[in-house]
Amino acid sequence: ETGVTQTPRHLVMGMTNKKSLKCEQHLGHNAMYWYKQSAKKPLELMFVYNFKEQTENNSVPSRFSPECPNSSHLFLHLHTLQPEDSALYLCASSQDRIQETQYFGPGTRLLVL
Amino acid sequence: AQTVTQSQPEMSVQEAETVTLSCTYDTSESDYYLFWYKQPPSRQMILVIRQEAYKQQNATENRFSVNFQKAAKSFSLKISDSQLGDAAMYFCAYRSSPNFGNEKLTFGTGTRLTIIP
Repeated sequence: ETGVTQTPRHLVMGMTNKKSLKCEQHLGHNAMYWYKQSAKKPLELMFVYNFKEQTENNSVPSRFSPECPNSSHLFLHLHTLQPEDSALYLCASSQDRIQETQYFGPGTRLLVL
Repeated sequence: AQTVTQSQPEMSVQEAETVTLSCTYDTSESDYYLFWYKQPPSRQMILVIRQEAYKQQNATENRFSVNFQKAAKSFSLKISDSQLGDAAMYFCAYRSSPNFGNEKLTFGTGTRLTIIP
């Protein structure tokens, strides 16, 4: 596998479920990002991790909980989500916070019922 | 705060022809980076081209080139010899210089490009 991978690609969950999204990058990068992509809205940055430390939380509700156990893996834990959280969740990575070019994964299409 | 505006929600072009996608942005910073990303139906966001604001020369990558007008805060993407594989959503994005310590990418709402065979 090369680049940035995300699993699962599709997820349907109820509002009371707990699920996790996984992102893995094979680029040797040290910074990883979670974005939310909703229809007809610009991509919204959710979280930034640099060398496993969270450096930005863009006012994301606590029902989204990120985890970065190492520089190659990033998780987004989901619990008690709302229907309006249905979106495409994209993971990205860059060499570090300073490097300006981010590389994206294919995304997880989430539907909250 | 920076904003990025893509005023063309949809565009179409005949195969082998040239198309230009528009992007304008608003910033008070003098040093920054601009990007065009492509998101095909498979959803993988792919970097198409990048431009450093301090460089006056327009960036070029094969059939893709930009027209960067810093004073006008305009950053359009030109696709020459359009191919069917160019069909995608195209996003313009802005990022502050590392000197400002802000790694956040600010995206526009995208332009959906259709290639007509």
